[in-house]
Amino acid sequence: AQSVTQLDSHVSVSEGTPVLLRCNYSSSYSPSLFWYVQHPNKGLQLLLKYTSAATLVKGINGFEAEFKKSETSFHLTKPSAHMSDAAEYFCVIYSGGGADGLTFGKGTHLIIQP
Amino acid sequence: NAGVTQTPKFQVLKTGQSMTLQCAQDMNHEYMSWYRQDPGMGLRLIHYSVGAGITDQGEVPNGYNVSRSTTEDFPLRLLSAAPSQTSVYFCASSSADRETLYYYGYTFGSGTRLTVV
Repeated sequence: AQSVTQLDSHVSVSEGTPVLLRCNYSSSYSPSLFWYVQHPNKGLQLLLKYTSAATLVKGINGFEAEFKKSETSFHLTKPSAHMSDAAEYFCVIYSGGGADGLTFGKGTHLIIQP
Repeated sequence: NAGVTQTPKFQVLKTGQSMTLQCAQDMNHEYMSWYRQDPGMGLRLIHYSVGAGITDQGEVPNGYNVSRSTTEDFPLRLLSAAPSQTSVYFCASSSADRETLYYYGYTFGSGTRLTVV
């Protein structure tokens, strides 16, 4: 069995300040982990992925995430928030088995204050 | 541009009507899936396919049918629409290494917003 828990349903930060979106996971196997972003009325776009190589993963638009096995976490960070970062973010786990092996978190809504 | 194309973008149905949501991809991906997105629920898997002629049920398959006659197309059918099927539907495709099962990540369509009244 596998699961992901996004610890915050909403996060609000000021423009120019750091962003932290938290994700914990549970898996019986060595998982692959992903962060996707969804802008309003758009589809989902892959931000970054961890697949058992380097534990610090860099993604698009200045985002990065660190895989911490001891803490079963995969938190998403960005040093300086931009207004265009306002969106819904999903942490996703994949433990194998093809297309049915994905489990999505419930999402974190990121609000950027001017 | 290469990607996943979903049609229509918006649809309103009356209870009991049927319709097909279309999904096509031009990346020669083996895997294709349908998800529904509801507020506070994340994305939930409806049906998926690992190749032409092969489909299987996901987490919430009731009320939906699929088929995969070609690699490119994966339509989702609602046989008798119900208000509980009001949602945003996403189609996605991906490829994977057949030996290592390394998974390359999904490409999502832009979604179909369906309202059943």
